Amino acid sequence: AQSVTQLDSHVSVSEGTPVLLRCNYSSSYSPSLFWYVQHPNKGLQLLLKYTSAATLVKGINGFEAEFKKSETSFHLTKPSAHMSDAAEYFCVVSDRGGYNKLIFGAGTRLAVHP
Amino acid sequence: GAVVSQHPSWVICKSGTSVKIECRSLDFQATTMFWYRQFPKQSLMLMATSNEGSKATYEQGVEKDKFLINHASLTLSTLTVTSAHPEDSSFYICSARDRDKVLYGNTIYFGEGSWLTVV
Repeated sequence: AQSVTQLDSHVSVSEGTPVLLRCNYSSSYSPSLFWYVQHPNKGLQLLLKYTSAATLVKGINGFEAEFKKSETSFHLTKPSAHMSDAAEYFCVVSDRGGYNKLIFGAGTRLAVHP
Repeated sequence: GAVVSQHPSWVICKSGTSVKIECRSLDFQATTMFWYRQFPKQSLMLMATSNEGSKATYEQGVEKDKFLINHASLTLSTLTVTSAHPEDSSFYICSARDRDKVLYGNTIYFGEGSWLTVV
């Protein structure tokens, strides 16, 4: 069975400083991994995805994540935080079965301070 | 990009009544749709997988008689919360899988969600 653990429930950074949101996964085979962002009272937006191609994945809004099989990690980073990045971030693993069932982590709330 | 529309965005209903939430794929066909529930400040919990033309598959602990799912066409799935109670108040989100896309993970699109408040 697949699962994801987001290691921090809250992360607070200053505007212009780097962002690191940590995610570890568990999967019995090569997983597909995603990061989604959710702004308050809104739906989900896909930031980036890993599907067994390049291990360093670049996404939208300057975010990127690196798949490290040896560490079973898929941490999300951004060199310089912007106020608009404040939101909830979900690390997600996909069931490789035919229905692409998504398993969500608990989420990390990112706060960005001036 | 692909669009998934949910309706209504907000709904308030009285305790004991039923309420229907629609999930539509606007520019692609979806043989599979997923329904999630999200309590405030919590993660998304998968409720059920909706399959076009067949019965939905419910996750453990989800009452199928309370949360009725119908996927009658390739572009529409509905979730009906029957005999709603205040504890059913939540944010419900659907996602749809584009049947014409090939790559894993490149095929699922989320709706904007529906807020249900039962009073």
